[in-house]
Amino acid sequence: DAGVTQSPTHLIKTRGQQVTLRCSPKSGHDTVSWYQQALGQGPQFIFQYYEEEERQRGNFPDRFSGHQFPNYSSELNVNALLLGDSALYLCASSTPRRGRDTQYFGPGTRLTVL
Amino acid sequence: QKEVEQNSGPLSVPEGAIASLNCTYSDRGSQSFFWYRQYSGKSPELIMFIYSNGDKEDGRFTAQLNKASQYVSLLIRDSQPSDSATYLCAVSPRTSYGKLTFGQGTILTVHP
Repeated sequence: DAGVTQSPTHLIKTRGQQVTLRCSPKSGHDTVSWYQQALGQGPQFIFQYYEEEERQRGNFPDRFSGHQFPNYSSELNVNALLLGDSALYLCASSTPRRGRDTQYFGPGTRLTVL
Repeated sequence: QKEVEQNSGPLSVPEGAIASLNCTYSDRGSQSFFWYRQYSGKSPELIMFIYSNGDKEDGRFTAQLNKASQYVSLLIRDSQPSDSATYLCAVSPRTSYGKLTFGQGTILTVHP
């Protein structure tokens, strides 16, 4: 049973560029959440996708956008990269039921912006 | 006040001891509570979740929840050097279904 997968593992970009990160959820899961984790901090919620729509959004600018495909996989796009966007980007998958949403994380994508 | 706060670390315990990790949260309506373990350079791994007041045990791990005090804790019995990691407390607020709010993490070191 495959867990959550993410690609690429590492990425180096320069300021102003755009980046796309990808995530495939755990088998049987239909919901994908994205988080940003800066060094030494807890993950910060970016947004959550369900049924190909953004269901919730955290306190991130519009430069951060996403998409969910019919097979439940998801992409995170970040435009006009800033140095402060350097972080570990985590994808978590789940199948929320009866008010419970237990999320399992993928290995993450380490983004470095120079 | 931060939404989720964890006891400041780092926490160092000898092998075989009980490690106690604490977390408080501000949203009284929070529904679900999670503990994740994160090894250096890796992603968070879910180790416990708890929804109801009281204790929940899973092997060497016990999660404790007190909603009246807005407090959740994780006890690790018979601590092993392999338990050395950052432990993240996460809370799912009632008003933001699905969103997890994390504490800053507590670094635990178990020394032989």
